Amino acid sequence: AQSVAQPEDQVNVAEGNPLTVKCTYSVSGNPYLFWYVQYPNRGLQFLLKYITGDNLVKGSYGFEAEFNKSQTSFHLKKPSALVSDSALYFCAVRDKGGSARQLTFGSGTQLTVLP
Amino acid sequence: ETGVTQTPRHLVMGMTNKKSLKCEQHLGHNAMYWYKQSAKKPLELMFVYNFKEQTENNSVPSRFSPECPNSSHLFLHLHTLQPEDSALYLCASSQVEASGYQETQYFGPGTRLLVL
Repeated sequence: AQSVAQPEDQVNVAEGNPLTVKCTYSVSGNPYLFWYVQYPNRGLQFLLKYITGDNLVKGSYGFEAEFNKSQTSFHLKKPSALVSDSALYFCAVRDKGGSARQLTFGSGTQLTVLP
Repeated sequence: ETGVTQTPRHLVMGMTNKKSLKCEQHLGHNAMYWYKQSAKKPLELMFVYNFKEQTENNSVPSRFSPECPNSSHLFLHLHTLQPEDSALYLCASSQVEASGYQETQYFGPGTRLLVL
């Protein structure tokens, strides 16, 4: 079975400071990993994904995420947060070799960037 | 915009009403999805259509009935819903290879449903 955990419901950070939104996963094989962002009254927008290759993945709006196989983590990061980054962030996983053919999403982390 | 549109954006219905949600994707994808998003809960996958064939139905009550007439359109027919069905219903699409490899899913803006 595949699963994903976002241990923090809420993350607050001051504008200009670095931000991290945490994600850990569990799969039986190798993972496909995704980050999505949801602004109020909008659908989910794709930010970035890890399929294979470099562990550091760069995505939209200056976000990046680091795949760490030993820690089964895929934390989302940004060097300098903007107030406009305030939104709900979802991590998702799919097991490359598993029987589940669809994504499993985390419960989301609300990021608030304080001016 | 992501290339996936949903109508209506907001819907209020009584428990005895029948309504339909519509989704259209302009990305040339061959798979479409319905998700339910409730407050404080992970996204729940409801239905999946690959090549217009329903491939997954995650124990969704029969008061929700999907329809996929072609690879670009997806409907969710609603009847005799319950107040606990109030949620944001999201549609998504992706490209699925014959091997089963699934490309990134792209989401529509959702329909906010309130059942009274």
